[in-house]
Amino acid sequence: QQKVQQSPESLIVPEGGMASLNCTSSDRNVDYFWWYRQHSGKSPKMLMSIFSNGEKEEGRFTVHLNKASLHTSLHIRDSQPSDSALYLCAASRSSNNRIFFGDGTQLVVKP
Amino acid sequence: EAAVTQSPRNKVAVTGGKVTLSCNQTNNHNNMYWYRQDTGHGLRLIHYSYGAGSTEKGDIPDGYKASRPSQENFSLILELATPSQTSVYFCASGGGQRKNTLYFGAGTRLSVL
Repeated sequence: QQKVQQSPESLIVPEGGMASLNCTSSDRNVDYFWWYRQHSGKSPKMLMSIFSNGEKEEGRFTVHLNKASLHTSLHIRDSQPSDSALYLCAASRSSNNRIFFGDGTQLVVKP
Repeated sequence: EAAVTQSPRNKVAVTGGKVTLSCNQTNNHNNMYWYRQDTGHGLRLIHYSYGAGSTEKGDIPDGYKASRPSQENFSLILELATPSQTSVYFCASGGGQRKNTLYFGAGTRLSVL
């Protein structure tokens, strides 16, 4: 059973544009969310984490979390071709260490 | 940054053969994980471990065994490899100060013929 659903499956944005990615968990006991980025042929690397309601900004990246709806979103402003990658959402309960991943959003930033 | 090393990086196995994938981490993380990633998809959890001597089943454990003989090492064992196990396998460690943020190895590309 898929516990983390991501949308859209793929996204094309122009260079300099805004990319918005979504993630929802079907497990109501999830507490923690992460966004990982995986460039082609590489391993995933943690991009941002969010553990409480609200918004967190780091440079061009902003992540939102609504714990009531178990929804998180990642927004990339001023997108660059180097941002082209597979973006994976991950979720976990604080009560155990199982970490679930979604199928990802494939982002392409066109120059 | 956390260091996780996987070996081998590439492996070709025959159907019915035994395959062992190894993972070593030097960060003293308690938790270690094995995931597989099929083309264009996310990561599916096979086995994980809370510490030396422990192994837990993930979402797709059938056909796989795991072994955690020490804090540093976590192995994934395919006793009777099948073509459906052709995939890229990632090992990760976590459990540091950043609420179990995972650090991944470079991956092992396994082909079962």
